Amino acid sequence: DAKTTQPTSMDCAEGRAANLPCNHSTISGNEYVYWYRQIHSQGPQYIIHGLKNNETNEMASLIITEDRKSSTLILPHATLRDTAVYYCIVRVGNTNAGKSTFGDGTTLTVKP
Amino acid sequence: NAGVTQTPKFRVLKTGQSMTLLCAQDMNHEYMYWYRQDPGMGLRLIHYSVGEGTTAKGEVPDGYNVSRLKKQNFLLGLESAAPSQTSVYFCASREQGDTEAFFGQGTRLTVV
Repeated sequence: DAKTTQPTSMDCAEGRAANLPCNHSTISGNEYVYWYRQIHSQGPQYIIHGLKNNETNEMASLIITEDRKSSTLILPHATLRDTAVYYCIVRVGNTNAGKSTFGDGTTLTVKP
Repeated sequence: NAGVTQTPKFRVLKTGQSMTLLCAQDMNHEYMYWYRQDPGMGLRLIHYSVGEGTTAKGEVPDGYNVSRLKKQNFLLGLESAAPSQTSVYFCASREQGDTEAFFGQGTRLTVV
C-alpha cells in the first residue's frame, strides 16, 4: 500500500470550509484513497473514499487530482464537533491482503 | 446493531502477566484487524485476518499472537506483557472489496 503525507495540524474557523490535503505520490492504479477521522481517542470513523473521480456524501467531499498523486478532503461547513484527527490512507480495494496502514494524520482544530 | 465490540475496555497488567483481548463483530465481515495507538501517534497494524482460520502479521507483530477460530471473533493475546505494550488497542472489521472499516471503541491497556 502506498504511503501518504499529511500536514501535522490545521486550524479552521467554525462555519468555514475545511480543506485537508493528502499527498500519495506513489499510489498505484488500483489503490483507493480513504479518509477516516478520530475524535477524542474514540475508534476511527469512516468518512469517504474514492478511486479517481471526485466523491461527495453527507459528511464531506473528496477531490482527487487527475494524476491521483494527491487529494483533498473538504468539510463544507466545519463545526466544533469536526475537531479531530483526520487520516488519509490508500489501499487496494479488491485484494485478499486487505491490510490498511494509518499514518499520523492531521489534527484539525475548528475554532469559534 | 452492535457493530464491533471490544472486551475489556480497560485493563491494568503487571509485567509478565498474560491476557487476551476479544474483538467481536456482528456484520459477517471477512477481514479483521488489530491496531495499537500510542499517545499522540497514529494507528499501527499489529495483526490481521482475511478470513476464519487465517491470520497474518502487520507492522508491529512482536509480542502478540492472534487467533480467528470463528469468523465473528478475533482474539489478540499478550503472553508476557511488557511496559512497552502500554497502549490503546483498536479492533476493526470490513467486508471484501472497496469497503470501509468499522472500528471498536478501543481497549486501554496499562502494563506496570
